[in-house]
Amino acid sequence: EAQVTQNPRYLITVTGKKLTVTCSQNMNHEYMSWYRQDPGLGLRQIYYSMNVEVTDKGDVPEGYKVSRKEKRNFPLILESPSPNQTSLYFCASRLTGSNYEQYFGPGTRLTVT
Amino acid sequence: GQSLEQPSEVTAVEGAIVQINCTYQTSGFYGLSWYQQHDGGAPTFLSYNALDGLEETGRFSSFLSRSDSYGYLLLQELQMKDSASYFCAVSGGGANNLFFGTGTRLTVIP
Repeated sequence: EAQVTQNPRYLITVTGKKLTVTCSQNMNHEYMSWYRQDPGLGLRQIYYSMNVEVTDKGDVPEGYKVSRKEKRNFPLILESPSPNQTSLYFCASRLTGSNYEQYFGPGTRLTVT
Repeated sequence: GQSLEQPSEVTAVEGAIVQINCTYQTSGFYGLSWYQQHDGGAPTFLSYNALDGLEETGRFSSFLSRSDSYGYLLLQELQMKDSASYFCAVSGGGANNLFFGTGTRLTVIP
């Protein structure tokens, strides 16, 4: 089944404790992206990657890191999480040059206390 | 920068037609997309318009007017399962970025 998977689905952590949210897709998509969703603010892009070893900042990259060492994986790293990073995070992928049909993962709900 | 405006809430009756509008401002424009998101779920792609005009996919249609920086999503023969949030998104400022509106919550009532 074609899908984007994320882990964990739910995470409660404390300020300053490094964490990684994994994202994997099995559709051989070149493009992958991370979004955060907050009430009243819609989906905001954090980082995206056009292909392996190619990443770029989105709209709200501060406090986040990403890496793209393999085509299928695009982990999101929070080196020192803060409470304002409490949010719902979505990973997405698509073919480069597609009609912008992005496939989203199920989401990761992160709470930073 | 980019900005999108869409109504925050819309209520419509089962079986009726509803139109969700989206106006946008973007530096460079590549296309307008629509996504549906049910409560607790992930966004799912509905449609994409790169050129002016109407695109139809079953009960859903999407329209774009680039000269007016405006588009809409039209949902016909509304069903209860259409109750969800609908987001417009523009590809602009670089074809690799996708900027989403804040979403329109559609409630379908019997």
